[in-house]
Amino acid sequence: ETGVTQSPTHLIKTRGQQVTLRCSSQSGHNTVSWYQQALGQGPQFIFQCYREEENGRGNFPPRFSGLQFPNYSSELNVNALELDDSALYLCASSPGQANEQFFGPGTRLTVL
Amino acid sequence: QKEVEQNSGPLSVPEGAIASLNCTYSDRGSQSFFWYRQYSGKSPELIMSIYSNGDKEDGRFTAQLNKASQYVSLLIRDSQPSDSATYLCAVKEMDSSYKLIFGSGTRLLVRP
Repeated sequence: ETGVTQSPTHLIKTRGQQVTLRCSSQSGHNTVSWYQQALGQGPQFIFQCYREEENGRGNFPPRFSGLQFPNYSSELNVNALELDDSALYLCASSPGQANEQFFGPGTRLTVL
Repeated sequence: QKEVEQNSGPLSVPEGAIASLNCTYSDRGSQSFFWYRQYSGKSPELIMSIYSNGDKEDGRFTAQLNKASQYVSLLIRDSQPSDSATYLCAVKEMDSSYKLIFGSGTRLLVRP
């Protein structure tokens, strides 16, 4: 157990809808990263927050956005869902930017 | 585009054998390397991190790093059927986000 939790576990949405995924990091972990993992692929970096400020983005469009809150929780928002957004979304927390990252159980998103 | 390459497998070994998993990376400046294990339908679990050239041992696992050859490997001694999983190699990018760049993973099958 990494102490990182995510909700919901599974989610089904239709194309064009919006979704919010949530993550609760380990206490004391000031860095949270979000990744998208398509079937058969490695996780792809979406963005990272350090002390509630975004400090890096991957090659994802602006409709992917997120926030980190002072209580070690964070959220990933995806607008205008597309079929290709169907994937496992992973949150990873770490005690510092340069430290090891520990993943939560993930949210499986299906877009119909 | 910085890349991490892994053979997708499956790598099939008999129970009790040594499993050898390999990974190459493109960014010569990379300093931090990680191996994650991912069971089917689950999230990645950190099993090893390595930062210096040479070997690092933890129980049945040994990580090996050769920065000159841009090569990381993971050896699993006395392989067990419970080791059957996908093993993801990840390299930390030392920019503002310290993001992880993952390979697509090697599927390991340990035959009883």
